[in-house]
Amino acid sequence: AQSVAQPEDQVNVAEGNPLTVKCTYSVSGNPYLFWYVQYPNRGLQFLLKYITGDNLVKGSYGFEAEFNKSQTSFHLKKPSALVSDSALYFCAVRDYSGAGSYQLTFGKGTKLSVIP
Amino acid sequence: DTEVTQTPKHLVMGMTNKKSLKCEQHMGHRAMYWYKQKAKKPPELMFVYSYEKLSINESVPSRFSPECPNSSLLNLHLHALQPEDSALYLCASSQGKGQGGLYNEQFFGPGTRLTVL
Repeated sequence: AQSVAQPEDQVNVAEGNPLTVKCTYSVSGNPYLFWYVQYPNRGLQFLLKYITGDNLVKGSYGFEAEFNKSQTSFHLKKPSALVSDSALYFCAVRDYSGAGSYQLTFGKGTKLSVIP
Repeated sequence: DTEVTQTPKHLVMGMTNKKSLKCEQHMGHRAMYWYKQKAKKPPELMFVYSYEKLSINESVPSRFSPECPNSSLLNLHLHALQPEDSALYLCASSQGKGQGGLYNEQFFGPGTRLTVL
């Protein structure tokens, strides 16, 4: 089974500083990796995905992620954090469940707090 | 239209009540999902519909009954729930297998906050 791990429950960063939210993966075959963000009492919003190609993936709201095959990592990054980036971030891996269905397996989530 | 809508936003029900959650999308997606999410935890997959057929049931208790009346609608019927079923219920959709679904993200609705008394 595919899995992802987010080693940090919480990340604190000062506004204007670069931020990194970590994710490592374990898959058999090619990894299809995603990042989602969740604001309080809201659904999940898609940020970016890695399917194939360039190891640096650019996404919404200025976020990007670096895919590293040798380290089996897919860390989320942003050059300059905003207070409004404070939210819960989930890394996820796409898994094929048979019967024509796919599912997402999520990491436990990392709470990002950007301090003014 | 890239939106998944869910109704109601909030629902409070007793353990003997019957209620339904509704989800709708008009993106032409042929895969739809129900998730349950407890506070500060990742979403847990409950059901997957692929081309209007139930393809995954993650050992969910029978007091939860999904229904996919057509390719745009997904319902979750609730009956005799327990207080521990209180959670945020999320619906999502994505392109199906025949639509290149392996490579495409899921779109999530805002969720229904369910409280069981």
